[in-house]
Amino acid sequence: KNQVEQSPQSLIILEGKNCTLQCNYTVSPFSNLRWYKQDTGRGPVSLTIMTFSENTKSNGRYTATLDADTKQSSLHITASQLSDSASYICVVSVGSQGNLIFGKGTKLSVKP
Amino acid sequence: DGGITQSPKYLFRKEGQNVTLSCEQNLNHDAMYWYRQDPGQGLRLIYYSQIVNDFQKGDIAEGYSVSREKKESFPLTVTSAQKNPTAFYLCASSIYGYTEAFFGQGTRLTVV
Repeated sequence: KNQVEQSPQSLIILEGKNCTLQCNYTVSPFSNLRWYKQDTGRGPVSLTIMTFSENTKSNGRYTATLDADTKQSSLHITASQLSDSASYICVVSVGSQGNLIFGKGTKLSVKP
Repeated sequence: DGGITQSPKYLFRKEGQNVTLSCEQNLNHDAMYWYRQDPGQGLRLIYYSQIVNDFQKGDIAEGYSVSREKKESFPLTVTSAQKNPTAFYLCASSIYGYTEAFFGQGTRLTVV
C-alpha cells in the first residue's frame, strides 16, 4: 500500500532556531517528492520538488534532502521565523499518472 | 494575475441540500483536482480531470459529483448523499499529472 509517514506530528521551536522534519514513504513506482507549506485555512504552497536523481534542493532557508535508497526525505528549516509557523506536508507522486500521496503533515509552531 | 481561484471561502449547507464549490484557473493547466482535508488527516483525492469533458473518481468520490465543460473550470457538487460533508476542500491544477500542482485557497464547508 502506498503510504507517506511524517514525523513529528507537531513541533514547537524558538524563533531563530533550526529544525528538521522527516518523511518516510513506501510508494511504488516513485516519480517525485514534494514539500508543501500550508498556512492555517489556506491552500498548500510548494517549497521543493525532487526527482529520483536529486539528493538536495534548497529554497531560501528551506533545504530538502532525498535518500531514494532508504525512501526517506527531510526538510531542514534554518534560522526559523515566526512566519514559518504552518503545517508542512510531504507529498509523493506515483508513477507516470502522477497520483499524489499526501502525508498528514507536521505542524510547526515558532515562538518568539 | 495568474492563479487558481476557489469560491466561496466559507459555505454553510443545510442537511439534505446540494451545494456547488467553484474552482477556476487561468494557468492554462490541463489537469485539475479536488481534495478533501479533515483535521489531522492528509489530503484525500475526490475527483480529478486531465482533459475537458473527462474526469475520474478518486479515493473518496461517493456523494460528490463534478463536471469539466471548460478547461478553466472544475466545479464540485457536494450532494445530499455525502453523509459527512463538513471539511476543508482544496482544488488544484497542474500542466500534467506528474508536474507541479498549484492549489487554490480552499473552501470551508460546514453543515448546519
